[in-house]
Amino acid sequence: DGGITQSPKYLFRKEGQNVTLSCEQNLNHDAMYWYRQDPGQGLRLIYYSQIVNDFQKGDIAEGYSVSREKKESFPLTVTSAQKNPTAFYLCASTPPGQGVGNEKLFFGSGTQLSVL
Amino acid sequence: QKEVEQNSGPLSVPEGAIASLNCTYSDRVSQSFFWYRQYSGKSPELIMSIYSNGDKEDGRFTAQLNKASQYVSLLIRDSQPSDSATYLCAVGGGGGNKLTFGTGTQLKVEL
Repeated sequence: DGGITQSPKYLFRKEGQNVTLSCEQNLNHDAMYWYRQDPGQGLRLIYYSQIVNDFQKGDIAEGYSVSREKKESFPLTVTSAQKNPTAFYLCASTPPGQGVGNEKLFFGSGTQLSVL
Repeated sequence: QKEVEQNSGPLSVPEGAIASLNCTYSDRVSQSFFWYRQYSGKSPELIMSIYSNGDKEDGRFTAQLNKASQYVSLLIRDSQPSDSATYLCAVGGGGGNKLTFGTGTQLKVEL
């Protein structure tokens, strides 16, 4: 079955530590996204990538980094510079093409990151 | 900055009633509108999309769009306890393949 796989489901970070969240998709989608969700809040865009080897900052990129070496993979690193990393992290992708309706997001199951 | 606003709720409705969820947006050039349902601890699931003024029906769900008033709504008929969730409104089409999300409305369907 096609889909987006995020791992791990739960992740704990120690003070000063960098952690990496995995996101893999087999939908053949070009564009991939990382969102952060805090309790009772909507989704805020961290980074997005529309093609391999290219990515752009979203609204809250500080303290995060990404790479896009393969079409299927878009890992997110939460660095020690992110002082408030506790949140639910969602990876998503959109089908190929531009224009109305192509912003339709397909989500992975999410990673809950907590600080020890 | 593009904004999408929703009443956070909770909105409580009795089982079998119609639930009405509302969303307003600030960017006049927006062209795509989506409703996602999110259960606690789970990822959002797309339930409706609408691109033209008027109503769009899919089973118990009806999305309504009024671009002049910059307003989109979701009606859920014959509400069931399983509809209890947070409903996120998302707006796109103002440039690039990116969506702007509202903070969501929590719906509680009571027996």
